[in-house]
Amino acid sequence: GESVGLHLPTLSVQEGDNSIINCAYSNSASDYFIWYKQESGKGPQFIIDIRSNMDKRQGQRVTVLLNKTVKHLSLQIAATQPGDSAVYFCAETWGGGADGLTFGKGTHLIIQP
Amino acid sequence: DAGVIQSPRHEVTEMGQEVTLRCKPISGHDYLFWYRQTMMRGLELLIYFNNNVPIDDSGMPEDRFSAKMPNASFSTLKIQPSEPRDSAVYFCASSWDTTDTQYFGPGTRLTVL
Repeated sequence: GESVGLHLPTLSVQEGDNSIINCAYSNSASDYFIWYKQESGKGPQFIIDIRSNMDKRQGQRVTVLLNKTVKHLSLQIAATQPGDSAVYFCAETWGGGADGLTFGKGTHLIIQP
Repeated sequence: DAGVIQSPRHEVTEMGQEVTLRCKPISGHDYLFWYRQTMMRGLELLIYFNNNVPIDDSGMPEDRFSAKMPNASFSTLKIQPSEPRDSAVYFCASSWDTTDTQYFGPGTRLTVL
């Protein structure tokens, strides 16, 4: 069936370096994508979103890239900090809305001092 | 605003007992979502409400699970009878509409012995 998956379950980067977290989606009808950050013992926190009519969107230290041709989504975090250590989830939906989000299993980002 | 509030934060119960999880969404949000998170299955949408009306409960695992939203500021997720495989973290989230960010609560960690 259709699913959202992550390429790397764990990613370790040096503090100050940039990190890239990848996500593949299989539903070509998906038109809204969200990245969430989940710290230990907390609920997922919205980071950034992107709609299918865009290829790139930037926030504060974060950039999301969408490649519809290969159904690939990535989250770039610039100048990583210890507080960036968390599990990052991509989520997809369709129909123009955020109801019925389908989450990937998550990537654990570890920031090395 | 205090954000999405969930209670209890932790619940330990014995198999066969009834469990009730509670959620108070952010004031003004018309949508409320219940999710379950496990290591094996990740984040799963169980059910969501729009203006207190259940819209999609296709994610509810079985009849032992039920959810209600008697008013705009309160929702419950009930499991009766509970089973060990129900052990998970249950999250409640709310949003203004389907095209907006979902804000998650801190979750309830349920352990069924």
